[in-house]
Amino acid sequence: EIVLTQSPGTLSLSPGDRATLSCRASQSVSSDYLAWYQQKPGQAPRVLIHRASTRATGIPDRFSGSGSGTDFTLTISRLEPEDSAVYYCQQYGGLPFAFGPGTNVEIK
Amino acid sequence: QMQLMESGGGVAQPGRSLRLSCLASGFIFTRHGMHWVRQAPGKGLEWVAVIYYDGSKKYYGDSVKGRFTISRDDSKNTVYLQMSSLRVEDTARYYCVRLGINGDAFDLWGQGTVVTVSS
Repeated sequence: EIVLTQSPGTLSLSPGDRATLSCRASQSVSSDYLAWYQQKPGQAPRVLIHRASTRATGIPDRFSGSGSGTDFTLTISRLEPEDSAVYYCQQYGGLPFAFGPGTNVEIK
Repeated sequence: QMQLMESGGGVAQPGRSLRLSCLASGFIFTRHGMHWVRQAPGKGLEWVAVIYYDGSKKYYGDSVKGRFTISRDDSKNTVYLQMSSLRVEDTARYYCVRLGINGDAFDLWGQGTVVTVSS
């Protein structure tokens, strides 16, 4: 069973800053089936990135994903106020489809 | 448009049962594996169960194995989660989620239905 850890737990940045979120897996993620989700208060999560680096439909290009194997990164190049949310990584290459504990991104 | 709509949540006493339903619309239901994901109040996301696109396989998270059963009725475009022997720690919002094709991850989520287990 793959366990995901995310860092940092909380990120407090200003609009226009670059945000770098990390996700580390306890073992290699099969086929780089690693996704990133954004969840705003009171809303369901939505997928941002799948297969580690492919933006989902309709996701702005300021969101990018990278990494492979056990180390993955979500980068938000220029933060906007609406990016305030919790971000989760998830591996879906093998069951159980585990989620990481999340990174809370706060916009100052 | 593509949509998932959950229902069936509510309040139940420990040890009792509830059945959640998820009605899918706007896409070809039989092409997709369907999952349930839950989120306890103020906590993160926890994967609960999956049923393959053809119903051939079902898998569960360790915390619900032996107590929850996932099923689907393709004639009704509906996936179910039968929850038995409920525990206080099953209190959560339960999301129905579609697994995308070709590695697209969880690409469609419902708004969720709230289950509260309390005496």
